[in-house]
Amino acid sequence: DVKVTQSSRYLVKRTGEKVFLECVQDMDHENMFWYRQDPGLGLRLIYFSYDVKMKEKGDIPEGYSVSREKKERFSLILESASTNQTSMYLCASSSGPGYTFGSGTRLTVV
Amino acid sequence: ELKVEQNPLFLSMQEGKNYTIYCNYSTTSDRLYWYRQDPGKSLESLFVLLSNGAVKQEGRLMASLDTKARLSTLHITAAVHDLSATYFCAVDERTSGSRLTFGEGTQLTVNP
Repeated sequence: DVKVTQSSRYLVKRTGEKVFLECVQDMDHENMFWYRQDPGLGLRLIYFSYDVKMKEKGDIPEGYSVSREKKERFSLILESASTNQTSMYLCASSSGPGYTFGSGTRLTVV
Repeated sequence: ELKVEQNPLFLSMQEGKNYTIYCNYSTTSDRLYWYRQDPGKSLESLFVLLSNGAVKQEGRLMASLDTKARLSTLHITAAVHDLSATYFCAVDERTSGSRLTFGEGTQLTVNP
C-alpha cells in the first residue's frame, strides 16, 4: 500500500522555536507539496518541489522554508514559530494525475 | 491567479434527500478532484475528473466536469448519515507543473 508518512500527528511548540515537519513517501514520486489547512480557508499551498534540491514557493510561503535532499523526503521548516502558524499541515506527493496525502500534523504554537 | 469557489459552504440535509455541491474555478483546466475529509482526518480521494464531460459515480455520489463552464458538481442521491463530512474540490491548473488549488470546502451534515 502506497504511503505518505508525516512523522508527527500532534506537535506543541513554543513561540520562537525552530520547527521541522517531516514527510516521507514510498512511491518514488517526483512531486511533493506542503499545505496548511485552516477552517473556512480550505487547503493553501505553502511550498512544493518537482525534484530533489528543487523548491518553489506556493501561495503562502512567508515564515516557512523547505528542504528536499532526497527524493522521498520533503521537510517543512518554521524558522521561528509564531502563534499564527498554529494549524493542520498536510503533505502530499504526486506523479501524473494521482495525488496522495499524508495523515497530517496538527501543530500548536504557544 | 486561480480561484476555486465552492457553494454552499455549509449544507444540512435530511436523510433520503438529494442535493448538489458546486465547484467553480477561474482558469482553464481539465483536471478536477473531489476529496472527503472526516473530522481530524486527512483527505480521502473520491473522484478524479480528467476531461470535459467526465462523469464518475461511486455509491450515492456522482461527480461531473464541464470545462467550458469551469464548473464541477458533486451530486448526492438519497443521503445517509454516513455521508456527513467536509467535501473539497481541487483544480490542477498545470500551467507550469502540476499543483492543486482547493476550494474552501463544504461541510455536509446529514440528519436522521
